[in-house]
Amino acid sequence: ELKVEQNPLFLSMQEGKNYTIYCNYSTTSDRLYWYRQDPGKSLESLFVLLSNGAVKQEGRLMASLDTKARLSTLHITAAVHDLSATYFCAVVTSGSRLTFGEGTQLTVNP
Amino acid sequence: DSGVTQTPKHLITATGQRVTLRCSPRSGDLSVYWYQQSLDQGLQFLIQYYNGEERAKGNILERFSAQQFPDLHSELNLSSLELGDSALYFCASSVGTLLYNEQFFGPGTRLTVL
Repeated sequence: ELKVEQNPLFLSMQEGKNYTIYCNYSTTSDRLYWYRQDPGKSLESLFVLLSNGAVKQEGRLMASLDTKARLSTLHITAAVHDLSATYFCAVVTSGSRLTFGEGTQLTVNP
Repeated sequence: DSGVTQTPKHLITATGQRVTLRCSPRSGDLSVYWYQQSLDQGLQFLIQYYNGEERAKGNILERFSAQQFPDLHSELNLSSLELGDSALYFCASSVGTLLYNEQFFGPGTRLTVL
């Protein structure tokens, strides 16, 4: 059974600081997604990582994928309050279903 | 706005009751997926339909069932509801069933079972 693990699960950081969220998964997959979710809202797609070594950046967020290590990272640069949300990674498996990590609840404090 | 619509937005009901959640996929999408998000279980895949046929099943309880109609909208039926069924239910759609077909999520239906 595929397992997707994120850490940390809770992250409180100050504005202007950098941090990284990690996503480990237990089986081979060539496609990984990062989503953002605001409280009570839907999932907003941030990044689709398609191959080993893929790196994508949007604003203060950068995501990377290492399929050999089965590891993806979401790096936050110079955090701002608007980035406060829960971030999920999800791995595509058979039947195109998504298996999600537990989510990382990020709080950025002024 | 993803183009996926779900109704109702909120649903409050009692234990033992039955409810139906509805999802309309994006125009042109043939696949519909249902996911449940709860505090206990996190986000988990329930079931997938493609062009009217069931394609994959996840951790869906026997009390739950789904179908996809000829117009491609889908309904998730939850019966004999229990307190633990309270959750946010998401529908997602994609063009096809291939691994590279990105899924687009609807706004969700929040179910509260009292």
